[in-house]
Amino acid sequence: DAMVIQNPRYQVTQFGKPVTLSCSQTLNHNVMYWYQQKSSQAPKLLFHYYDKDFNNEADTPDNFQSRRPNTSFCFLDIRSPGLGDAAMYLCATSRVSTGVDEQFFGPGTRLTVL
Amino acid sequence: RKEVEQDPGPFNVPEGATVAFNCTYSNSASQSFFWYRQDCRKEPKLLMSVYSSGNEDGRFTAQLNRASQYISLLIRDSKLSDSATYLCVVNSGGYQKVTFGTGTKLQVIP
Repeated sequence: DAMVIQNPRYQVTQFGKPVTLSCSQTLNHNVMYWYQQKSSQAPKLLFHYYDKDFNNEADTPDNFQSRRPNTSFCFLDIRSPGLGDAAMYLCATSRVSTGVDEQFFGPGTRLTVL
Repeated sequence: RKEVEQDPGPFNVPEGATVAFNCTYSNSASQSFFWYRQDCRKEPKLLMSVYSSGNEDGRFTAQLNRASQYISLLIRDSKLSDSATYLCVVNSGGYQKVTFGTGTKLQVIP
C-alpha cells in the first residue's frame, strides 16, 4: 500500500544522456514536489506543482524540467546530466490546507552519472 | 546566514540517555515548523510538527522559541532504533514551501 512511488529506484545514465524519473501517488494530494539530495546535505527543492500550477525555484538549473500530466503522476526530466547531477531525487506530496502540511516522500531514485 | 541551521553532529549517546537538538531559522515570518527523521539512504518521514505551545509525543518533545528563532527536539530514554538523522524543517514563504536543514545525526550506542 505504497502511497508515493518512484521509478526506477536506481538509475544509471551517461554524461549528457537525457533521463526521466517518475513519481506517482495514491494520496490524491494537490501538491507534488521534486527535491535533490546529495550526501550529507539537506533535500533541496527543485520545483513544485500546486495542481497544474508549476513553481520553479530560482536556482534550479534549466537542465531540469518537470511535467505533471495529471494529479497522480509527475516526471523529472534531466536533459543533459552532468557529473554534478548525481544525487538522490526525492518526490513528495502534500495536501492543500490553510497552512503547511506534512510532506509524504517516495523512496527516492538514486541517479548515477558515468 | 542559512535559512535553517543545525549542528550536523554526530551525537553519540548511550542507550537510555536524553539528547537535545537545536535548530535556528532566519525568516522571522515563518509559521510552520517540523522535525523529520531520515534513516540512512531512506526518505525523510515526519517525526512531529512543532507547535507554539510546545508539544510532546511519547519520548519526544518539541519546543519553539519565536523570539530567538529556534526550535528544539528532546529525546528521552534513547533507543538504538532512534539512530538516524533528524531534519529541522521550516516553511520558507510561498504556499506549501519548506526549507530543510542539513540534519543532525544521532547514533545511539548499546
